[in-house]
Amino acid sequence: DGGITQSPKYLFRKEGQNVTLSCEQNLNHDAMYWYRQDPGQGLRLIYYSQIVNDFQKGDIAEGYSVSREKKESFPLTVTSAQKNPTAFYLCASTPPAGWNTEAFFGQGTRLTVV
Amino acid sequence: SQQGEEDPQALSIQEGENATMNCSYKTSINNLQWYRQNSGRGLVHLILIRSNEREKHSGRLRVTLDTSKKSSSLLITASRAADTASYFCATAGMPSNTGKLIFGQGTTLQVKP
Repeated sequence: DGGITQSPKYLFRKEGQNVTLSCEQNLNHDAMYWYRQDPGQGLRLIYYSQIVNDFQKGDIAEGYSVSREKKESFPLTVTSAQKNPTAFYLCASTPPAGWNTEAFFGQGTRLTVV
Repeated sequence: SQQGEEDPQALSIQEGENATMNCSYKTSINNLQWYRQNSGRGLVHLILIRSNEREKHSGRLRVTLDTSKKSSSLLITASRAADTASYFCATAGMPSNTGKLIFGQGTTLQVKP
């Protein structure tokens, strides 16, 4: 089955720790995205990548970092600089001509600071 | 930044009734999309309407787009308990070919059996 796999489903972070969220897709999509969702809110864009080895900041990139070494993978690191990281994180991808096509989403990772 | 508002924030109806959700946005768009999210899950794409389209149907879903008013509506007809979820509109702005989406805050729909 083609799709987007996010892992882990639940993640707990201690104060001052960096954690990495995994996102893998086998849809052969070029573009991938990371969104953050807070309770009762819509999604906000953290980072996106349209091609391997290239990525751009979204609206709320501070305290996050990404890499795109492979087409299939777009991991997100939540650094200790992110002051309020508790949220639901969603990874998405779009096929070529992504500006006029639907986005495909993973099932999300819920990150909690303990 | 969030593109706009969705109205109502919450909606509770009986099975069999129709549900209407509205979305307003602020800037020019390439397209507007509607997504559904079950509690604690990822988003599932429902329908995409391009800026030059006014109405689109998919099964029990009907979407309208009024670019002069910068607004869209999603109608779910003959609702079912399984339609209980949160519904989000998202816009792909202009000029842009990045696939970035700007989401509204969502409407939480509860369909009572």
